[in-house]
Amino acid sequence: QKEVEQDPGPLSVPEGAIVSLNCTYSNSAFQYFMWYRQYSRKGPELLMYTYSSGNKEDGRFTAQVDKSSKYISLFIRDSQPSDSATYLCAMRAGAGNNRKLIWGLGTSLAVNP
Amino acid sequence: GAGVSQSPSNKVTEKGKDVELRCDPISGHTALYWYRQSLGQGLEFLIYFQGNSAPDKSGLPSDRFSAERTGGSVSTLTIQRTQQEDSAVYLCASSWYNQPQHFGDGTRLSIL
Repeated sequence: QKEVEQDPGPLSVPEGAIVSLNCTYSNSAFQYFMWYRQYSRKGPELLMYTYSSGNKEDGRFTAQVDKSSKYISLFIRDSQPSDSATYLCAMRAGAGNNRKLIWGLGTSLAVNP
Repeated sequence: GAGVSQSPSNKVTEKGKDVELRCDPISGHTALYWYRQSLGQGLEFLIYFQGNSAPDKSGLPSDRFSAERTGGSVSTLTIQRTQQEDSAVYLCASSWYNQPQHFGDGTRLSIL
């Protein structure tokens, strides 16, 4: 079993829909949680960064972390065709020089005009 | 630009040859990371630099892989005697100490 599980999709929604993406994890030492967006033939682009449990909102994006359930979510409101990409969750422990990110496999999202 | 720059963007080489991949981090970023992304495997951590030192090189797959960072800036990832399983996208990221990692667009490596 992988440390981080993410449904690969593909997920296809109409423009304007609310999109819900999520990841589960098994390592209780994870404290930092990130969502990245990756377009084809590009590097991952940081969308959201949260520490420990709670919610964080940035424009149309909301990230939620539930450490008790080992479950994180990303919500996209009023989705646009430009949101079509692969969404990757990543997380890491907080201690010292342990900086390596552990990744989900990514969810492919298509937003249809 | 102000982002992480990687070169070359694409590299095709024959099995058994050595390759060098270069990463220029965001100016002022103290930490630098290498990851590998392949189909079905996702992103895998290779090595992390703080300054010119590598406190964590636990992800390097074999002794054919090595990396160095000089002047607290540019880093080179070297793969010796390449094998077909080394074909992947090699991604570099940098950060200000413990802050979020920002990625370049990667080097697409194909081993024939």
